[in-house]
Amino acid sequence: QVQLQQSGPGLVKPSQTLSLTCAISGDSVSSNSAAWNWIRQSPSRGLEWLGRTYYRSKWYNEYAVSVKSRITINPDTSKNQFSLQLNSVTPEDTAVYYCARSAPRYFDLWGRGTLVTVSS
Amino acid sequence: EIVLTQSPGTLSLSPGERATLSCRASQSVSSSYLAWYQQKPGQAPRLLIYGASSRATGIPDRFSGSGSGTDFTLTISRLEPEDFAVYYCQQYGTSPWTFGQGTKVEIK
Repeated sequence: QVQLQQSGPGLVKPSQTLSLTCAISGDSVSSNSAAWNWIRQSPSRGLEWLGRTYYRSKWYNEYAVSVKSRITINPDTSKNQFSLQLNSVTPEDTAVYYCARSAPRYFDLWGRGTLVTVSS
Repeated sequence: EIVLTQSPGTLSLSPGERATLSCRASQSVSSSYLAWYQQKPGQAPRLLIYGASSRATGIPDRFSGSGSGTDFTLTISRLEPEDFAVYYCQQYGTSPWTFGQGTKVEIK
């Protein structure tokens, strides 16, 4: 059974970096048929796809324009997981963050979500 | 980016009734790359439909999807108590992948 297990802090101070990790069991971050995504949900912005990483003979990343200057998604093949880093956060980045698998591009598997609050 | 507009915002129905949810795209969704998700409070969205009309694994056949181009529909033929939730459409034909704002199906 494929599962995604999220971890990371629920509170981040303004201007700092939001960091979350998604551990994969039952599948591989290096899969040639899946991509690994971060999505967030807030009352003001709804569901918003942030970006993805995927392996097709080499690693690719793709990011939403709205966060492109602040986001990094990295795979970690040694731990079979991937991570999200979002820099220079503001209260507008307060949301529930989900990791999700897309195979090929719709999201067929989701993590349970992490509420991240940006506040001093 | 493609904007998805869902209607109605809220649908008040009784168990056993038929639910019809609409999703309209600001431009044509290529190859009918349109998915539907169900979300219950405190849970992540769950994939129901992909490719506009294909049911995901384990999804009951009372859920069906249709449409193409810019107009898509999710139909729940007879509402069961567990179907009262929020439903989202999502297009994955053109990056960035985008979601609609959701339709809440509530008990009348």
